[in-house]
Amino acid sequence: KAGVTQTPRYLIKTRGQQVTLSCSPISGHRSVSWYQQTPGQGLQFLFEYFSETQRNKGNFPGRFSGRQFSNSRSEMNVSTLELGDSALYLCASSEGQGAGEQFFGPGTRLTVL
Amino acid sequence: SQQGEEDPQALSIQEGENATMNCSYKTSINNLQWYRQNSGRGLVHLILIRSNEREKHSGRLRVTLDTSKKSSSLLITASRAADTASYFCGAGTYKYIFGTGTRLKVLA
Repeated sequence: KAGVTQTPRYLIKTRGQQVTLSCSPISGHRSVSWYQQTPGQGLQFLFEYFSETQRNKGNFPGRFSGRQFSNSRSEMNVSTLELGDSALYLCASSEGQGAGEQFFGPGTRLTVL
Repeated sequence: SQQGEEDPQALSIQEGENATMNCSYKTSINNLQWYRQNSGRGLVHLILIRSNEREKHSGRLRVTLDTSKKSSSLLITASRAADTASYFCGAGTYKYIFGTGTRLKVLA
């Protein structure tokens, strides 16, 4: 099976802009989780989607949002970008909801100037 | 505060030696997973251990879980230069919480 794919791999934006990141899970996986990774904070959980519904959410402002489509692909949107949003954004897929075996994609490196 | 906190933060060993990393967490969990990350790339899944398991092996990897101490350890035996990476544990029930990782450097 193909692994988790994320697009784009690299992105450069300026403050105030918005960005949309995409994640395609492993075929047959219905859960997609998003994480933000920064050198100081490590991996921080953003949210999880299962069957097109957000099931769990981390402690991030409302500027961070997401959605999941019927084919389990997921998108994450960040509006009104801030310098501190520069990070590696990782998505992980798993078969079912919650803390089952998760497989990560290569990530999208977002740089906000 | 982090749910999964790895210890030590950095570890440097010679090729052929064993490397041990520890992970502590704060609340009850269903599963704990260990991952490897090379140079800011995606996380590679190494092993998942469930709360009712005490030990799991996969090749040169050995993971233990002590739910009474809320801790886990990852042992890499006969380390190789290619094992140089950051290692993360994620612990959770309905979602995983990760620490900041252990940076392992294996010297040839």
